[in-house]
Amino acid sequence: GAVVSQHPSRVICKSGTSVKIECRSLDFQATTMFWYRQFPKKSLMLMATSNEGSKATYEQGVEKDKFLINHASLTLSTLTVTSAHPEDSSFYICSARSLATDTQYFGPGTRLTVL
Amino acid sequence: KQEVTQIPAALSVPEGENLVLNCSFTDSAIYNLQWFRQDPGKGLTSLLLIQSSQREQTSGRLNASLDKSSGRSTLYIAASQPGDSATYLCAASFSGGYNKLIFGAGTRLAVHP
Repeated sequence: GAVVSQHPSRVICKSGTSVKIECRSLDFQATTMFWYRQFPKKSLMLMATSNEGSKATYEQGVEKDKFLINHASLTLSTLTVTSAHPEDSSFYICSARSLATDTQYFGPGTRLTVL
Repeated sequence: KQEVTQIPAALSVPEGENLVLNCSFTDSAIYNLQWFRQDPGKGLTSLLLIQSSQREQTSGRLNASLDKSSGRSTLYIAASQPGDSATYLCAASFSGGYNKLIFGAGTRLAVHP
């Protein structure tokens, strides 16, 4: 079946540093990938839609200069949290939409903790 | 505004009970609806996907229904087991923005022996 991986699965960093999270579709191509954020005991909030070869589309209220998204290939999208602060601590989940099945497949998530 | 709501927020049942989780959405122009399972600290596992042209989908002990006219979907779990304990999320995509999934807040299910 379609598999989406995320790396790292867990990261702890100091305030002010930048953190890059990778999202890969392992056995299918995805022109569109999505980045979500989840707070404890809350649902997933869509942050941005990442399209291969073009600029990401950000949801209202999401700072594009804070959360940099790059979708350089049909199997890889990256989310960089720049100048991270403790309030950026969260669970970040990506999904990839399969060209073949038009279905979104979700990654296992990345737990970011900013000290 | 397109919204997805899930009730109850939490549910605790004894093992063996049949149960129903509810999901409602505000826009009848739905493209599809998915039910997911999420274990603590983990990602999402897709359970069932219902296209707008379908009324229900079944997988094992799970059955999901979709009623566009009333803006509702239900997830029926038969003969619940402790291993079913998790958070169940429903998510809808709507016509015109079919790539975008809007999630409900989830139902936290605990099945006790």
